[in-house]
Amino acid sequence: GEDVEQSLFLSVREGDSSVINCTYTDSSSTYLYWYKQEPGAGLQLLTYIFSNMDMKQDQRLTVLLNKKDKHLSLRIADTQTGDSAIYFCAEGASGGSYIPTFGRGTSLIVHP
Amino acid sequence: NAGVTQTPKFQVLKTGQSMTLQCAQDMNHNSMYWYRQDPGMGLRLIYYSASEGTTDKGEVPNGYNVSRLNKREFSLRLESAAPSQTSVYFCASRDTNQPQHFGDGTRLSIL
Repeated sequence: GEDVEQSLFLSVREGDSSVINCTYTDSSSTYLYWYKQEPGAGLQLLTYIFSNMDMKQDQRLTVLLNKKDKHLSLRIADTQTGDSAIYFCAEGASGGSYIPTFGRGTSLIVHP
Repeated sequence: NAGVTQTPKFQVLKTGQSMTLQCAQDMNHNSMYWYRQDPGMGLRLIYYSASEGTTDKGEVPNGYNVSRLNKREFSLRLESAAPSQTSVYFCASRDTNQPQHFGDGTRLSIL
């Protein structure tokens, strides 16, 4: 079945760049998403990329997609303490009955 | 713009009690979902409703029931709560070919 894998933890210094990685197995994925979950809150959609794209940039966020290796990454430039959160990678496909598959989440810790 | 609204935000139950978690969305989305989130386990799908009038089991449906009351509302019921059901419950909705939108969660403790 479908699987999405992420590393569990990442620690960076404030001002540095953060790179969170994700691998997936479903080659029929149409969309790949990044969600952010702050403590005590729900999941907030950060950004998403269509499978026919290689890169998407949105302010400090850059998403890179390597379809051949089924590898997705989220780069956060100039990481701030407010970026400390859990980041979930998810993949989805077309169709109303398709169930998106989530990774277990990467906890990003930003220290001064 | 409310999005996905979950009630209650917090609840404490005794083992064996029943309760219903409510979820409503105002985005006219077809599909709605219930997840539970436990430490180290990520999100696990309990039940989903691809469209009004249909419901299907997810990964961990045992001990739960759902009702898609109308297009806006999707409720999750625990008939006889067990300590293993202590968790944070999230409702989500999405339109076809769009990302899911999540509520803020219900934090449920069962003693």
